[in-house]
Amino acid sequence: GQQLNQSPQSMFIQEGEDVSMNCTSSSIFNTWLWYKQDPGEGPVLLIALYKAGELTSNGRLTAQFGITRKDSFLNISASIPSDVGIYFCAGQSGNTPLVFGKGTRLSVIA
Amino acid sequence: KAGVTQTPRYLIKTRGQQVTLSCSPISGHRSVSWYQQTPGQGLQFLFEYFSETQRNKGNFPGRFSGRQFSNSRSEMNVSTLELGDSALYLCASSFLAGASYNEQFFGPGTRLTVL
Repeated sequence: GQQLNQSPQSMFIQEGEDVSMNCTSSSIFNTWLWYKQDPGEGPVLLIALYKAGELTSNGRLTAQFGITRKDSFLNISASIPSDVGIYFCAGQSGNTPLVFGKGTRLSVIA
Repeated sequence: KAGVTQTPRYLIKTRGQQVTLSCSPISGHRSVSWYQQTPGQGLQFLFEYFSETQRNKGNFPGRFSGRQFSNSRSEMNVSTLELGDSALYLCASSFLAGASYNEQFFGPGTRLTVL
């Protein structure tokens, strides 16, 4: 089945630093989604990408849909303490269910 | 617009019991998907319902089942609970099922603990 490799698994950064995480797939996806999950809550959709090469921003967050359609990255600029959480990528092709990465746990040191 | 709601939020059961979890999607959304989230396995897809029909099913044993009602509300049931069923069960709704633009919105989850 389809698998997503998300890296890094965890990150410890200083407040104000930029963050970069990515996902790669063995299969082509038509849609890439990035979610953030806070403790005890469900994932919240951050950015949705629908076209290869697409670059989309949401405030300090920027995500790109790789041109090979097998990868995506998420950047967070000037991190702040509330950025702490687990970030998930998810991909979808055709009518198949979303496939999720294992997540990147972000810790921000003030 | 109200978000996805799940009840109950927390549940404690013992091995061998069965459990039913409920999910109410965002108004107007017709697709409901269920996921199991554990620290080791991450988010694992259970099943997806659209217009009361199961469209996709993940790789889980038959003890896991679900259904969707005409108002798009969904329930999932786990029978003969095992310790390994302890997890956060997440429900997500979307307007369409399996469409290219399939933005799923998640509920807060039900934390199930099996003792």
